[in-house]
Amino acid sequence: GQQVMQIPQYQHVQEGEDFTTYCNSSTTLSNIQWYKQRPGGHPVFLIQLVKSGEVKKQKRLTFQFGEAKKNSSLHITATQTTDVGTYFCAGGGGSEKLVFGKGTKLTVNP
Amino acid sequence: GAGVSQSPSNKVTEKGKDVELRCDPISGHTALYWYRQSLGQGLEFLIYFQGNSAPDKSGLPSDRFSAERTGGSVSTLTIQRTQQEDSAVYLCASSLAWGNQPQHFGDGTRLSIL
Repeated sequence: GQQVMQIPQYQHVQEGEDFTTYCNSSTTLSNIQWYKQRPGGHPVFLIQLVKSGEVKKQKRLTFQFGEAKKNSSLHITATQTTDVGTYFCAGGGGSEKLVFGKGTKLTVNP
Repeated sequence: GAGVSQSPSNKVTEKGKDVELRCDPISGHTALYWYRQSLGQGLEFLIYFQGNSAPDKSGLPSDRFSAERTGGSVSTLTIQRTQQEDSAVYLCASSLAWGNQPQHFGDGTRLSIL
């Protein structure tokens, strides 16, 4: 079945440093979604990418969808303490249900 | 309400007891999902409902777990003869449809088995 691998599992940065998490699928995806879960909270939808090579930005966050639609990345520029949390990617395979990656836990040292 | 509502927010029970967890999805959302999240871990898919179709139960870890969705709205996840390894946060999510639609999560039920 479809699998979504996410790396790294953990990332610790100093405030102001950049951060990137990567997501790879074993199969071609119809879309990829990113979610953020703050400590003690629930996952919250951030964005959806559907086109090959698509790049979207939300303030300091940049999301990319690979040309082959099998990988994606989330890059945060100049991290802030408010960025702390676990970032999940989730891949959709058309008629298949979303498959979530295991997440990348980001901690930020002020 | 405007979001996905789950109850209870916390549940502590003794090993061997049955528990029922409730999820009230966003009005109009036809797809409903249950996930389990152990401390510090990712989201483990359990089951999902889409409209009147047969539910996808492929993630249920054992026959002690079951779920139903009445009237295409509220869902109940039941765990029979609870075990300590069932301790986790149980998250419910709903979406407009399945597949490509973003999922909206509830706050979850934190289940502790003594």
